Amino acid sequence: QVQLQQSGPGLVKPSQTLSLTCAISGDSVSSNSAAWNWIRQSPSRGLEWLGRTYYRSKWYNDYAVSVKSRITINPDTSKNQFSLQLNSVTPEDTAVYYCASPGIDDAFDIWGQGTMVTVSS
Amino acid sequence: QSVLTQPPSVSGAPGQRVTISCTGSSSNIGAGYDVHWYQQLPGTAPKLLIYGNSNRPSGVPDRFSGSKSGTSASLAITGLQAEDEADYYCQSYDSSLSVLYVFGTGTKVTVL
Repeated sequence: QVQLQQSGPGLVKPSQTLSLTCAISGDSVSSNSAAWNWIRQSPSRGLEWLGRTYYRSKWYNDYAVSVKSRITINPDTSKNQFSLQLNSVTPEDTAVYYCASPGIDDAFDIWGQGTMVTVSS
Repeated sequence: QSVLTQPPSVSGAPGQRVTISCTGSSSNIGAGYDVHWYQQLPGTAPKLLIYGNSNRPSGVPDRFSGSKSGTSASLAITGLQAEDEADYYCQSYDSSLSVLYVFGTGTKVTVL
């Protein structure tokens, strides 16, 4: 059974970098059939897909256009986890951040527990 | 931001049937992509409720059902129970190139 465990700070100052990690158990970040995603949820923007990383003989990334200039999602094969970095944050980036992985029919059946991140000085 | 439109709220008495609509466009639901539904209880992550338009994962009661037609989809809850009070979201794939996955605006189900 695949499980995702998130970690990272809950408070980030404006203009700084938001960094979160998602540790995977029960699967491999290098799996040729899995994809590892970040999704956030806020009252103003609802549920918003941010991006993903996945391995298909080499590493690929896809990012939402809305954050493409500021986001990096990286795999860490040594620790079997993946990370989210969002640069130059503003209060608009305040949200609950989730890592998630899709399964059958590309539906998100595995979710991390969520991390509330507040952007404030 | 959310691209799929849902009613903000629906309500019903215990035992009744309620439906939640999810309206998309030609770049997502209308393009033939599958619709999935999630249930979210307060303070928890969304939980997959329906996948592939109408399929229930193991453990999901059969009072939950989904359907899709054209650019819209629907979630029905029959025999409403108190424990069904939650937020519900639809989700699909999008071919617009600006985002891969899109979510609904969310619907709060209240059991009267």
